[in-house]
Amino acid sequence: DAKTTQPPSMDCAEGRAANLPCNHSTISGNEYVYWYRQIHSQGPQYIIHGLKNNETNEMASLIITEDRKSSTLILPHATLRDTAVYYCIVRGRNTGGFKTIFGAGTRLFVKA
Amino acid sequence: NAGVTQTPKFQVLKTGQSMTLQCAQDMNHNSMYWYRQDPGMGLRLIYYSASEGTTDKGEVPNGYNVSRLNKREFSLRLESAAPSQTSVYFCASRNRDGETQYFGPGTRLLVL
Repeated sequence: DAKTTQPPSMDCAEGRAANLPCNHSTISGNEYVYWYRQIHSQGPQYIIHGLKNNETNEMASLIITEDRKSSTLILPHATLRDTAVYYCIVRGRNTGGFKTIFGAGTRLFVKA
Repeated sequence: NAGVTQTPKFQVLKTGQSMTLQCAQDMNHNSMYWYRQDPGMGLRLIYYSASEGTTDKGEVPNGYNVSRLNKREFSLRLESAAPSQTSVYFCASRNRDGETQYFGPGTRLLVL
């Protein structure tokens, strides 16, 4: 699985959009980009994933660059409850890609 | 539908003691995982089971053993606990490769 690089921490004002970047320059053609988050003391929670097209769901949007070497998770209107550690993971979809490796993630602080 | 459950929630052990952490999922998922998370760190994969009857090592398997008892249950055993194994342990499951992982609430283990 490709490695990812994320900033260790970010701040965001409540009500504003939070844009969390992730670099995955060694991503291969069959690997998806997944985002999870972990609110303090809880298990990680799935947010969104994508291959090459931009994706949106009720929680967030995922923007993947055309060369797929980086992506951005967007929380359109951050709330205090969005304060968490956000993990960007790149993982293959074919058989054998069962291992999911989590890095250190980005600690997002949403401030009032 | 309880999702992924873990027992116990908290445990204190003395160095050298043994214990088994239990994990069960009721989503009929094929693959299951054990991670550990040290304070301020990301998750590290200990062992995983791609399907019933199979187990494989992750990033940090030393000092642990696992059993995939049946499709629902995946246990993690510490034969001789060490202070370095003080951590929060998360179990997760997933149906098929490429699909979302679901995490349990975690077991907080302190080894004195």
